[in-house]
Amino acid sequence: EVQLVESGGGLVQPGGSLRLSCAASGFSFSKYGMSWVRQAPGKGLEWVSVISGNGANIYYADSLEGRFTISRDNSKNTVYLQMNSLRAEDAATYYCTKRGETCYTLNCHLDCWGQGTLVTVSS
Amino acid sequence: EIVLTQSPATLSLSPGERATLSCRASQSVSNYLAWYQQKPGQAPRLLIYDSFNRATGIPARFSGSGSGTDFTLTISSLEPEDFTIYYCQQRSDWPLTFGGGTKVEIK
Repeated sequence: EVQLVESGGGLVQPGGSLRLSCAASGFSFSKYGMSWVRQAPGKGLEWVSVISGNGANIYYADSLEGRFTISRDNSKNTVYLQMNSLRAEDAATYYCTKRGETCYTLNCHLDCWGQGTLVTVSS
Repeated sequence: EIVLTQSPATLSLSPGERATLSCRASQSVSNYLAWYQQKPGQAPRLLIYDSFNRATGIPARFSGSGSGTDFTLTISSLEPEDFTIYYCQQRSDWPLTFGGGTKVEIK
């Protein structure tokens, strides 16, 4: 069974940093691109970033303005999201997601989602 | 970026009725459109990918259609558990984008 378990969320002051982690199991992790998607309270879904299976290809949403960094450790089956210079508008539940099975490119639908980790940005 | 517009924002129907949800793209996305269902307090779940393919385990009452800029998610006969929020998502170009969602509520 595919499982994605996020951790690392919490309360942080504006301007602060957090690192989110997503532990994956149940599939050949290094073969799949992984994305982060966020959802502000009561709002819709916003794609944040994606990293390819070997880590060589990475994309970010323009709204991040270079403040976030995605990475992965295939030896630990884990993907990370380093978030710096956090703002109130970054407050959201952050979901770790897996690329769909049928795509041959990094841009894909997302066929498995973790339960999410909540990031609160407040002084 | 490709903007996805979902309509209506809210759909009020009764159990057993047919639901038709729309997603319109600001430019062609070919057939690279997916639909997700999100229940309160839960992560989204993939329903349909590449316009019309049902994801694993999704009941046959859910179907998708469309290509280019206009797409439809149809729920043939609403079950009580179907009353929730649905999102579309395109994978034609970066950044991946989602629609604003359609809430299906009990009339």
